[in-house]
Amino acid sequence: GQQVMQIPQYQHVQEGEDFTTYCNSSTTLSNIQWYKQRPGGHPVFLIQLVKSGEVKKQKRLTFQFGEAKKNSSLHITATQTTDVGTYFCAGRPSAGGTSYGKLTFGQGTILTVHP
Amino acid sequence: DTEVTQTPKHLVMGMTNKKSLKCEQHMGHRAMYWYKQKAKKPPELMFVYSYEKLSINESVPSRFSPECPNSSLLNLHLHALQPEDSALYLCASSQDRLVIFGSGTQLSVL
Repeated sequence: GQQVMQIPQYQHVQEGEDFTTYCNSSTTLSNIQWYKQRPGGHPVFLIQLVKSGEVKKQKRLTFQFGEAKKNSSLHITATQTTDVGTYFCAGRPSAGGTSYGKLTFGQGTILTVHP
Repeated sequence: DTEVTQTPKHLVMGMTNKKSLKCEQHMGHRAMYWYKQKAKKPPELMFVYSYEKLSINESVPSRFSPECPNSSLLNLHLHALQPEDSALYLCASSQDRLVIFGSGTQLSVL
C-alpha cells in the first residue's frame, strides 16, 4: 500500500532559525496537504498542493510539491515560538479517481522552538 | 459555517459502557470520516462515508459502529471498549479533496 515517509521526526530550533520538514511518497500523489497540530489540539489545514512543481507561500511558510508529485516540503523562515507543534503531510494517491479516497499521513515532525 | 463540530470534547467510560460520539458539519461536504489518533502519532483512518453510505472500513473492530443519519451528521457508537482504545477521535469532512478536521473527542477507557 501507499506509504508517506516524513523526516525529521523531531526538530529543535532556536527562535529565528529556519526549519524544514520533508515528505516522500512511495507512489505518485494526486495532491498533498499539510496540517499543523498544536499540543493538545487537532490537525488544522494549512495548504493543499496539486500541480507538479507547485510552490505556495503563506507569510513565513513555503510549501513545495515535487516535479514527480512524490515528494513535498514545508519550510519555515525565522521560526517563532508560535510555530511550535507537529506538522503533518498527507497525500492522496493518483490512482483510484475518487475525490474522497484515503488520505495517507506522514508520521509528522514535532517542532520545538526555544526562545 | 466552515467548521466540523464534535461532541463531547472529553469522554471517560468504563469497558462495559455504551456511548456515542457525534459530529456535525454544515459545509455541504458529502464525504465524512472518523480517524483515531494516539499521542505523537498521525491520525489513522477508521471509516469513510460518501453520500451517507459507508464506503471504507479500515478493518475496525465491531465494538466501533459508525452511523450517518444524514448528510450533516456522523456518529460513532462505542460499546465494550478496551483501555487500548483510549485516544483522540477525530471527525473530518471533505469536498474536492480538501479535508477539514473537527477538534476531536479525547476518549479515556478505564
